[in-house]
Amino acid sequence: GNSVTQMEGPVTLSEEAFLTINCTYTATGYPSLFWYVQYPGEGLQLLLKATKADDKGSNKGFEATYRKETTSFHLEKGSVQVSDSAVYFCALSNTGRRALTFGSGTRLQVQP
Amino acid sequence: NAGVMQNPRHLVRRRGQEARLRCSPMKGHSHVYWYRQLPEEGLKFMVYLQKENIIDESGMPKERFSAEFPKEGPSILRIQQVVRGDSAAYFCASSLRQGENEKLFFGSGTQLSVL
Repeated sequence: GNSVTQMEGPVTLSEEAFLTINCTYTATGYPSLFWYVQYPGEGLQLLLKATKADDKGSNKGFEATYRKETTSFHLEKGSVQVSDSAVYFCALSNTGRRALTFGSGTRLQVQP
Repeated sequence: NAGVMQNPRHLVRRRGQEARLRCSPMKGHSHVYWYRQLPEEGLKFMVYLQKENIIDESGMPKERFSAEFPKEGPSILRIQQVVRGDSAAYFCASSLRQGENEKLFFGSGTQLSVL
């Protein structure tokens, strides 16, 4: 079956530091990969996505590249801000009706 | 254009009571998904519904849980005889068509607390 594994948090960084949140997946076929962000008290918002190998998704300074050979989709940002403090979820979707399989989430705390 | 609306935002129940969670999808969306987020865990799929039909309920516990999405009105997730282990955040998402996972919109969730 499908599964997503994320690095455990919390990740605590100073403002303007470089961010990497690791995500690896197991899936049959060719899934689409996503990063979602959940700000305190809110629902999930799609941050970025990639639908095929070697695609790079990007949004708001965040990037992730779909690496089929390593089954990974690591999230990166060159310079984090306090406002980036949130929980980040890696997810995949495959054909079928379940929509999305989520990782357990990684809490990011950015300190001024 | 309002997003996915869930209510209530917070729901407190005592053990043995019933919990009803409501989800109004985005306007025009006829596909609704329910997810549960236990503390410090990711979202787990529960059930996928279209108008008047349950398409996939493989993630939903067999006992005490039920879901519906009537022709008119919101989707309802119902939990009978709640137990402490039901305490979680329940999220609803909607899409215009099946399979449009990149166009899935989430509500802000209902936090259920069972005393």
